[in-house]
Amino acid sequence: GAVVSQHPSRVICKSGTSVKIECRSLDFQATTMFWYRQFPKQSLMLMATSNEGSKATYEQGVEKDKFLINHASLTLSTLTVTSAHPEDSSFYICSVRGTVYSGEKLFFGSGTQLSVL
Amino acid sequence: GENVEQHPSTLSVQEGDSAVIKCTYSDSASNYFPWYKQELGKGPQLIIDIRSNVGEKKDQRIAVTLNKTAKHFSLHITETQPEDSAVYFCAASGYSTLTFGKGTMLLVSP
Repeated sequence: GAVVSQHPSRVICKSGTSVKIECRSLDFQATTMFWYRQFPKQSLMLMATSNEGSKATYEQGVEKDKFLINHASLTLSTLTVTSAHPEDSSFYICSVRGTVYSGEKLFFGSGTQLSVL
Repeated sequence: GENVEQHPSTLSVQEGDSAVIKCTYSDSASNYFPWYKQELGKGPQLIIDIRSNVGEKKDQRIAVTLNKTAKHFSLHITETQPEDSAVYFCAASGYSTLTFGKGTMLLVSP
């Protein structure tokens, strides 16, 4: 399967600061990446679809000015949580859709635990 | 849109027993059904998947069955081991993104 690297794995920040999370596809070029959010003991909630070279597509209810997504290259997508507040504390996970060989298989990064104080 | 229901929410078994997790979906156009295993503090890991043109797929101790008519699919784990303890998510997709179930916490006691 695809190898997806996500960094950092854990971040603690003060309220009002911005946090950037990186997601890298290590073994193939990914035109599409996805960003999910997961609260404790809950399922994965799709936040947005990141498309290389174009604007991200956000799911209903997700503030695009709050969660900035940049997919500047075929191997890197970033999620920036701007002016973070305690309610933004969550587990953020990126994913990559597999190559033509694996069809629509989705491979996930290791996740980033964000804690906003 | 697609709606995926997953049961049970928690499943406790003894080591060596079998475990079965069931999911139903609502969109008859869905044609891809993966299962993910998520350990605490980690991202989900794809463990097995099945497409709509196949009724059953097996990989060592793990198997998945699909009933398109009834719109349900199941994960079967045989000879469970303590390291199988994790949260398992089913998902379904058609032409767009995956829709996930709410997850099942599997606890395997030694």
